[in-house]
Amino acid sequence: NAGVTQTPKFRVLKTGQSMTLLCAQDMNHEYMYWYRQDPGMGLRLIHYSVGEGTTAKGEVPDGYNVSRLKKQNFLLGLESAAPSQTSVYFCASSYQGVGTEAFFGQGTRLTVV
Amino acid sequence: AQSVAQPEDQVNVAEGNPLTVKCTYSVSGNPYLFWYVQYPNRGLQFLLKYITGDNLVKGSYGFEAEFNKSQTSFHLKKPSALVSDSALYFCAVRNGDRTSGGYNKLIFGAGTRLAVHP
Repeated sequence: NAGVTQTPKFRVLKTGQSMTLLCAQDMNHEYMYWYRQDPGMGLRLIHYSVGEGTTAKGEVPDGYNVSRLKKQNFLLGLESAAPSQTSVYFCASSYQGVGTEAFFGQGTRLTVV
Repeated sequence: AQSVAQPEDQVNVAEGNPLTVKCTYSVSGNPYLFWYVQYPNRGLQFLLKYITGDNLVKGSYGFEAEFNKSQTSFHLKKPSALVSDSALYFCAVRNGDRTSGGYNKLIFGAGTRLAVHP
């Protein structure tokens, strides 16, 4: 049972380059989330989705775009990477309902130089 | 807007002693509260949650948490700490108010590092 899988696990980008982070879940979850984790800042919500074809902004959406074309996948895009986007990115998913816990992927460590 | 505060960056406890990791929250509707643990270079693992009902909830690995509505707190506790409990702990809140703009958002605190010494 794979759970939540993030691809890639590590990446180094040059300033101005673009990339897409892929999150895939095999639990048939409705909700999916993208967070970034920075020292002293905890996890900050970038974007989230409550179902296929829907997305919404979180706390820190600027510089990122997302898409949820298939229920099992949630893509996070960086159109023009900046050093401030150096972070560890986590994807999470959960069943529908505010009382359900989220399941997390192992994270993607992104460095922008 | 909803928010979570974890006032302590680090908590130090001797093995065998009780531990408390503090969390307070702010949300417009009914709060749905969660605790997660993160070990080095790993994702977050769910520990326990408060949805409704009994204010004391029990979770994995002997952890429990007490919901206090008047103090808007959800402190994590364990009667006897283990060295293996050393990790980063996150409190999170989800807004259950469908009329608010924050419905379904899952917001985390900054985290508290727990260090249990032998």
